[in-house]
Amino acid sequence: KAGVTQTPRYLIKTRGQQVTLSCSPISGHRSVSWYQQTPGQGLQFLFEYFSETQRNKGNFPGRFSGRQFSNSRSEMNVSTLELGDSALYLCASSLAPATNTGELFFGEGSRLTVL
Amino acid sequence: DAKTTQPTSMDCAEGRAANLPCNHSTISGNEYVYWYRQIHSQGPQYIIHGLKNNETNEMASLIITEDRKSSTLILPHATLRDTAVYYCIVRVGITGGGNKLTFGTGTQLKVEL
Repeated sequence: KAGVTQTPRYLIKTRGQQVTLSCSPISGHRSVSWYQQTPGQGLQFLFEYFSETQRNKGNFPGRFSGRQFSNSRSEMNVSTLELGDSALYLCASSLAPATNTGELFFGEGSRLTVL
Repeated sequence: DAKTTQPTSMDCAEGRAANLPCNHSTISGNEYVYWYRQIHSQGPQYIIHGLKNNETNEMASLIITEDRKSSTLILPHATLRDTAVYYCIVRVGITGGGNKLTFGTGTQLKVEL
């Protein structure tokens, strides 16, 4: 069974540009969450999607957005990139939101560097 | 979600048990304790979770105190591949409540020969 797949794995952008990251969840999983990991702030929740609807959102500016498609694949977009957006962006999938098992399956992440 | 406190780092000899403590003194009755780990440059990996009873799976054991204010993750026979940052997370386990996990700074476990 394939795991969570994130693309691209690495990318470099310059300030002011925008970026789109993709996440394919484990087959059959319908919930996708996104997290940002930086050395200073650690792992922080961005947002969660289930059945193409955003169910939960973290404390990030509106430049960060996402969506989910009918096949459960998800994308996140960051517009007007800032140096502080350099981070590892992690996607996690689960069967459904907040099942009592709470088990999320994380991908390897997309490492974004903003110059 | 309740705040957790973990030691910043711990060392363990290979083959010995690694006991990672976590304090969650403000935990509520409906909050679960979860453990994840993150090996360098990889995504976090689920280890185990529990509510009030001790739990064991193929990876580890979770011991929760009777008052639920603290817990210990036990890796019975640590190997070099267990070197990672271990996160203790408490959150409400309500169906439909979302999959937002609040990660702290975790414990950097270093397993040495």
